[in-house]
Amino acid sequence: GAGVSQSPSNKVTEKGKDVELRCDPISGHTALYWYRQRLGQGLEFLIYFQGNSAPDKSGLPSDRFSAERTGESVSTLTIQRTQQEDSAVYLCASTYPEETQYFGPGTRLLVL
Amino acid sequence: EDQVTQSPEALRLQEGESSSLNCSYTVSGLRGLFWYRQDPGKGPEFLFTLYSAGEEKEKERLKATLTKKESFLHITAPKPEDSATYLCAVQVYSGYSTLTFGKGTMLLVSP
Repeated sequence: GAGVSQSPSNKVTEKGKDVELRCDPISGHTALYWYRQRLGQGLEFLIYFQGNSAPDKSGLPSDRFSAERTGESVSTLTIQRTQQEDSAVYLCASTYPEETQYFGPGTRLLVL
Repeated sequence: EDQVTQSPEALRLQEGESSSLNCSYTVSGLRGLFWYRQDPGKGPEFLFTLYSAGEEKEKERLKATLTKKESFLHITAPKPEDSATYLCAVQVYSGYSTLTFGKGTMLLVSP
C-alpha cells in the first residue's frame, strides 16, 4: 500500500518568509509525528498527534513553529518568519499507537 | 534525560568485510530499541525492533542484538548496496511512542 508522503520535496525560501510543509500519513494510522533532522544531527522530535487528543507540542523549538492535523488525515507544519537555523530536513512519521513508526521521504528546507 | 550514542560515526568496509555498529543508550525505562536505515535524500526505513535483553533479529546480512546497555547491528559479508546511514532509536514508557534517536553511523561499503 501507499506509504507516508510529504510535500514539497524541497523548499528554498528567504529569511523572514513563512513556509508550510505537508504530510499525508498511511491510511488508518491514528498517530502522526513530525521530526527535524539537521545536518550531522540525530532526528529531533517536534510534535505528536494522536486521534482527536490534544497534540503534544513539547518538541517545538519556538513559537514560530506550529502544526495542525485534521482528524486522522493530513498534517501541515508551518514555520513563520523563517531563520537560517531552520534549514533542515523535516520528516513525518505515522503509526498505530505504540507500533513501529513509518517515515516519509522528508522535505528539505533551505533558508537563504 | 534519555540519551542514545552511536559509534563509530562513520565506517568504511570492503565488500565482504564483516563488522558491527554500536548503539549505547541511557533511558529511564526501555520499551523498545529500533534500527532504521537511511539512504541519502530519503526518509528512514524501518529494519528491526528489539524489546528485551538477549533478543536477536536477522534480516539478510544484518543481525541486531540487545543488552541492557547497548545494541549491536552486525553486518555479515556486506555488499555495496548496504551503504547507508544506520540510525538507532529508543522508545520509553512515557505514555506515547516518541523515539529518541542517535546521530547515526554512516556506512560505506566499497566493491
